[in-house]
Amino acid sequence: DSGVTQTPKHLITATGQRVTLRCSPRSGDLSVYWYQQSLDQGLQFLIQYYNGEERAKGNILERFSAQQFPDLHSELNLSSLELGDSALYFCASSLSSGPGNTIYFGEGSWLTVV
Amino acid sequence: EDQVTQSPEALRLQEGESSSLNCSYTVSGLRGLFWYRQDPGKGPEFLFTLYSAGEEKEKERLKATLTKKESFLHITAPKPEDSATYLCAVQADAGNMLTFGGGTRLMVKP
Repeated sequence: DSGVTQTPKHLITATGQRVTLRCSPRSGDLSVYWYQQSLDQGLQFLIQYYNGEERAKGNILERFSAQQFPDLHSELNLSSLELGDSALYFCASSLSSGPGNTIYFGEGSWLTVV
Repeated sequence: EDQVTQSPEALRLQEGESSSLNCSYTVSGLRGLFWYRQDPGKGPEFLFTLYSAGEEKEKERLKATLTKKESFLHITAPKPEDSATYLCAVQADAGNMLTFGGGTRLMVKP
């Protein structure tokens, strides 16, 4: 158990809908990362937050957004969902935002868009 | 652009048959090279971080090494429970996020 908690574990929704994925980082970790894993793309970095502020952005679609709250939990919002958004979404956390910090992953949220 | 290539894509071993997994990388200033293990439908589990060429780290049957262009994950006398996908990732000067390779799917048969 990495200590990173993600909910829900599984989610099935229809095209055009909006969903919110939630993440609680490990106790004491200030930095949160979101990754997408699909069969054909591997693990792709989406976005990073540190202590409530956005720190880095990867190939995140405009339909997707995220935030980190004062209690350090984070949410990833996916809207106008398409079939191609079906994937495993991982949250990860680390102690700080500096390079070299170990990044621990949660168990992921399976999103299926039908 | 940072790039990570892992080979082979899949590897079948008999129990006890030692082998190595390769991770080649191109990065603008390496801050850390990470190895993770991932079981089907689960999140990546942290194994090692290597920071500089020549560094080695060991954990049970696994040993990771690093050069300026690649890293190897050596598995000695593997057991069926070592079957998983092994992921390599780099962290560069430019940012804190990890850039992952495609992984090596390891299958160890009894």
